[in-house]
Amino acid sequence: DQQVKQNSPSLSVQEGRISILNCDYTNSMFDYFLWYKKYPAEGPTFLISISSIKDKNEDGRFTVFLNKSAKHLSLHIVPSQPGDSAVYFCAASTGGTSYGKLTFGQGTILTVHP
Amino acid sequence: DAGVIQSPRHEVTEMGQEVTLRCKPISGHDYLFWYRQTMMRGLELLIYFNNNVPIDDSGMPEDRFSAKMPNASFSTLKIQPSEPRDSAVYFCASRGGNWQGRAFFGQGTRLTVV
Repeated sequence: DQQVKQNSPSLSVQEGRISILNCDYTNSMFDYFLWYKKYPAEGPTFLISISSIKDKNEDGRFTVFLNKSAKHLSLHIVPSQPGDSAVYFCAASTGGTSYGKLTFGQGTILTVHP
Repeated sequence: DAGVIQSPRHEVTEMGQEVTLRCKPISGHDYLFWYRQTMMRGLELLIYFNNNVPIDDSGMPEDRFSAKMPNASFSTLKIQPSEPRDSAVYFCASRGGNWQGRAFFGQGTRLTVV
């Protein structure tokens, strides 16, 4: 039972263009969502988060959108840079920022070409 | 702060041997998580602690796996006996209450059981 799904295993974009990574979830109790980025041989690092009371959160080039009715969230990276090439995981939890358990998607490999 | 520290970075062991993975969380963090990453299952939560107390161990695959947190600055994940299917990257992460919900991950331990 995969409660958080990233249906695109990989995404390839040109430098300067927009990257859109998608994530779907099934558990309506999830109320806090995070995106993590992972480089090879390193642990995941936090990128951006959003509470279920919001539908958008921005941090520089990164914006996360949440559509609760569709149980869908997306991460937009504008403009994309070669250094953004990594694996991106979305994660979800209950309990807001006081969560215990984070459930991760399978990850999407983003490649940004110069 | 040095971040979450895991040791060893790499471990190769023979089937049937005991394996112990170690984690030092970020000072002041009151949550500690153990995750396992495999190609088939992605990032899955094994167990997490709050204030050194195990809260949810439903992700621990079998009785061969055990985890302890004897104090706020140290945790172990033990596999006894190890099997080839335990081969994976094991991550430890920690989180405090004032970091907007973000968990910080260590660099992981790559375990190979031959």
